[in-house]
Amino acid sequence: KQEVTQIPAALSVPEGENLVLNCSFTDSAIYNLQWFRQDPGKGLTSLLLIQSSQREQTSGRLNASLDKSSGRSTLYIAASQPGDSATYLCAVPTGGGNKLTFGTGTQLKVEL
Amino acid sequence: NAGVTQTPKFQVLKTGQSMTLQCAQDMNHEYMSWYRQDPGMGLRLIHYSVGAGITDQGEVPNGYNVSRSTTEDFPLRLLSAAPSQTSVYFCASRLRDFSFSNTEAFFGQGTRLTVV
Repeated sequence: KQEVTQIPAALSVPEGENLVLNCSFTDSAIYNLQWFRQDPGKGLTSLLLIQSSQREQTSGRLNASLDKSSGRSTLYIAASQPGDSATYLCAVPTGGGNKLTFGTGTQLKVEL
Repeated sequence: NAGVTQTPKFQVLKTGQSMTLQCAQDMNHEYMSWYRQDPGMGLRLIHYSVGAGITDQGEVPNGYNVSRSTTEDFPLRLLSAAPSQTSVYFCASRLRDFSFSNTEAFFGQGTRLTVV
């Protein structure tokens, strides 16, 4: 059974800092990995999808990497801003691709 | 761009009442699904559909019904609401890509349901 964990569970950083969020998965046979952000009381917003054949995917200040062999993905956020404060979730397709298995989430707070 | 639209945003039900949570998407996605999000439990799949006329159960289907008569709509019905169904419900959609190279999932804004 695929298990997805995220470390740390919570993170507080000053504005401007570069930071890394971690996502680990137990079964390396994944199709892809998707990163989301969730603002309090809101839905999930897709940030990046990195395919199993890719090593990296970039969007603006965000860069996601994928190392299937070690069962890890990282989300790098450059020059963090208070508007980046949210919960970040990673997810992988499981059950033949019919569901997403989500990580436990990292709650990020970027302070002025 | 509307994307995935859920209604209502908030709902309070009494135990035993029934209701339908609406979900519509305008991206012509074949695949749609419903999740519930609970503190400490994360997101769990309730039901999903791979196309009009086809539905299947997820991890926690009991107490919920779905149907898919059109590509755009995927309503979730609570037959007889129970306090254990108090949760935030999310609808999601994506393309049905058998290569899994383009299966980016898009979520609605959620429905916060309280059953008293």
